[in-house]
Amino acid sequence: EAGVAQSPRYKIIEKRQSVAFWCNPISGHATLYWYQQILGQGPKLLIQFQNNGVVDDSQLPKDRFSAERLKGVDSTLKIQPAKLEDSAVYLCASSDRTVPNTGELFFGEGSRLTVL
Amino acid sequence: RKEVEQDPGPFNVPEGATVAFNCTYSNSASQSFFWYRQDCRKEPKLLMSVYSSGNEDGRFTAQLNRASQYISLLIRDSKLSDSATYLCVVDYTGGFKTIFGAGTRLFVKA
Repeated sequence: EAGVAQSPRYKIIEKRQSVAFWCNPISGHATLYWYQQILGQGPKLLIQFQNNGVVDDSQLPKDRFSAERLKGVDSTLKIQPAKLEDSAVYLCASSDRTVPNTGELFFGEGSRLTVL
Repeated sequence: RKEVEQDPGPFNVPEGATVAFNCTYSNSASQSFFWYRQDCRKEPKLLMSVYSSGNEDGRFTAQLNRASQYISLLIRDSKLSDSATYLCVVDYTGGFKTIFGAGTRLFVKA
């Protein structure tokens, strides 16, 4: 079974530029998450989708970050304009949680962003 | 106060040692608990779920104390391959909100 696919794996941009990350979850997984992981810290939830609806985006900096999940499958996370503090690994995860408290999260390899 | 708190370590232990990690959570409505393992520059992967009755998987034992709002992970007979960051994870609000702790780093030395 194919895992969670993410691209690009690495991206270096200058501050104030824009960047987009793509995620393809495991087939059939209704729930998709975007996490931000800064070096030395645990993953921080940015946004969670259930199918193509947003379940939680309370920690998404909406002035610069946006995310969408069209047709309830692939998802894109965009940052515009980027700041130095956005340097992090952006992890996409999916799960088949249609029942609360069940199902593990499966993570992609992440997209490592460096903002100069 | 953070929702999920862990001792960041690092814990440096020799092979064969027993090591224990604790994690505290602030929301009493928390419902499900997990330990994930993250190797250096890799993605997190589920290590084990944590049940109220405690559970064991080989050398790993996880326990939950709801009254004190903490969970623990015990690793016996540590191996070099156990070197990683161990993330405490808590689900609440119906199981659809998943919060990660900052992780505890473990180094097992020969």
